[in-house]
Amino acid sequence: AQTVTQSQPEMSVQEAETVTLSCTYDTSESDYYLFWYKQPPSRQMILVIRQEAYKQQNATENRFSVNFQKAAKSFSLKISDSQLGDAAMYFCAYKFYNNDMRFGAGTRLTVKP
Amino acid sequence: NAGVTQTPKFQVLKTGQSMTLQCAQDMNHEYMSWYRQDPGMGLRLIHYSVGAGITDQGEVPNGYNVSRSTTEDFPLRLLSAAPSQTSVYFCASSYSWEFSGNTIYFGEGSWLTVV
Repeated sequence: AQTVTQSQPEMSVQEAETVTLSCTYDTSESDYYLFWYKQPPSRQMILVIRQEAYKQQNATENRFSVNFQKAAKSFSLKISDSQLGDAAMYFCAYKFYNNDMRFGAGTRLTVKP
Repeated sequence: NAGVTQTPKFQVLKTGQSMTLQCAQDMNHEYMSWYRQDPGMGLRLIHYSVGAGITDQGEVPNGYNVSRSTTEDFPLRLLSAAPSQTSVYFCASSYSWEFSGNTIYFGEGSWLTVV
């Protein structure tokens, strides 16, 4: 069964500092997609970044970047220059061939001023 | 551009009652789906549809029914509400059912409490 594990229920970072959120997944597939979603208190799900498994280059979106280690089945999110608006729940997700997605349990990120 | 619209946003039901959560998208997306989010857990797929007239079960389909008569709408029906169905429900859509990195757009969620 495909599962997604986020081992850090809560993380805290000082404003302007860098934080890394961990995610591991289990799959027997070779082709898939991985995502990080942000969920603020409003509960809206906001796409942060995506990674295609066939691409070796790590995805980057402004202050957000990933460290994708396919052999290790690891997909961590790095947030640089953290801002107060980054405070939220962050979900790692794995996408199946039929567009089904499996989500991790989430990491609650607190940003301290 | 409204995106994905869910109604109602909040609902309280008594055990055994039935209700329908509405979902509509105005982006002409083929793929639509329903998730539930419980405390301490990520979203779990209930049902999905790859086009009008086509639906299939996800990870946790029991107690729910769906239909897709139009491209725009994908209602979720609770047949006989149970306290275990207390959750936040998210509708989502994406452009194509084909396997790709297409962005999945989420609605704002519907808070359902069953007492």
